[in-house]
Amino acid sequence: DIQMTQSPSSLSASVGDRVTITCRASQGISNYLAWFQQKPGKAPKSLIYAASSLQSGVPSKFSGSGSGTDFTLTISSLQPEDFATYYCQQYNSYPLTFGQGTKVEIK
Amino acid sequence: EVQLVESGGGLVKPGGSLRLSCAASGFTFSSYSMNWVRQAPGKGLEWVSSISSSSSYIYYADSVKGRFTISRDNAKNSLYLQMNSLRAEDTAVYYCARDFGRDWGQGTLVTVSS
Repeated sequence: DIQMTQSPSSLSASVGDRVTITCRASQGISNYLAWFQQKPGKAPKSLIYAASSLQSGVPSKFSGSGSGTDFTLTISSLQPEDFATYYCQQYNSYPLTFGQGTKVEIK
Repeated sequence: EVQLVESGGGLVKPGGSLRLSCAASGFTFSSYSMNWVRQAPGKGLEWVSSISSSSSYIYYADSVKGRFTISRDNAKNSLYLQMNSLRAEDTAVYYCARDFGRDWGQGTLVTVSS
């Protein structure tokens, strides 16, 4: 199974900050990597697919990069509505696997 | 507008069974693979099972293999998860998701407790 490791597990940031979350795969997954945002009590929401493609309707402050084993999600200017937990997921092979999540909190 | 609506969750005793349903609308259901993903209380996301558009390919997480069965009815735009031999550790919100997570339902809570 491919293990997905996110870092950090949590972070505190201020409105307007640039935030970067890292996701590392235990083996190469090409660009078969997605990012999701989840707010408390809500379903996950797709942000990025194919490592760097923005899902329709997602604001351009979100961006993804990487290929192979190392990936990043960047939020260019953090806004109040962006405080949430973010997950990466590989879909290169089954079983599909998620990172453990990164909780973005208000500083 | 894409809609995925799960139903069928509830309280069940260990060893019991439950069948979850996911009603899809707003897209050509028969063209997409579908997935079940669960989230235990306070925990992260865990993939459970996937089924291809024509049901030709089916995959399960090791944690549910032999106990859960995924199926779909393209004529009814519906996805199902038959869950047998339920355990306390199966307690979670179960989400259906289109493709590789493009769209998600609101989830249905399954609680396994005596």
